[in-house]
Amino acid sequence: NAGVTQTPKFQVLKTGQSMTLQCAQDMNHEYMSWYRQDPGMGLRLIHYSVGAGITDQGEVPNGYNVSRSTTEDFPLRLLSAAPSQTSVYFCASSFTVGGEQYFGPGTRLTVT
Amino acid sequence: DQQVKQNSPSLSVQEGRISILNCDYTNSMFDYFLWYKKYPAEGPTFLISISSIKDKNEDGRFTVFLNKSAKHLSLHIVPSQPGDSAVYFCAAVGNNDMRFGAGTRLTVKP
Repeated sequence: NAGVTQTPKFQVLKTGQSMTLQCAQDMNHEYMSWYRQDPGMGLRLIHYSVGAGITDQGEVPNGYNVSRSTTEDFPLRLLSAAPSQTSVYFCASSFTVGGEQYFGPGTRLTVT
Repeated sequence: DQQVKQNSPSLSVQEGRISILNCDYTNSMFDYFLWYKKYPAEGPTFLISISSIKDKNEDGRFTVFLNKSAKHLSLHIVPSQPGDSAVYFCAAVGNNDMRFGAGTRLTVKP
């Protein structure tokens, strides 16, 4: 089992560029989520999905899109990057909402 | 608004002693609580959890206590070991919403 994988590990974008952060899990988890971690703010939920075809907004969804076409994959799209989106992004999955979540290793994104 | 607060950004303890990490929450809809541990350059890993119907859950050296009336939970690690040095996040869950605290950096000195 690879668990939760994320690519890329590091990314630098210019303001206005778009990109997709990839996330995949091989544990057949229904629930997947994206968080961003900023100093002094902990982990904040961006978007989540309770199953293929179903997504919903979390605490800080603005500027991000998600889709869930398969159980395994949950990509996060930045539509037009802004410096405020400089952060470390974590993808996580679990069997149920609120259950023990398995986190990926993170993507460190810098927007200049 | 921070619905889950960890008011101590850092904590330092001696190896073998008890570490107590605290967490407060404001929203009474939260009914499940978890602690995660995070090492640098890695994702958080699950440590221990507690349902709101309990006031204590123990797993080896780790015990979580929940005081619902005070909206407060704490994580006790005893005895503390140098390998426990990490950032600890508490999380609260309710109505499909999960909120994390800002984390407490624990340093266990040999």
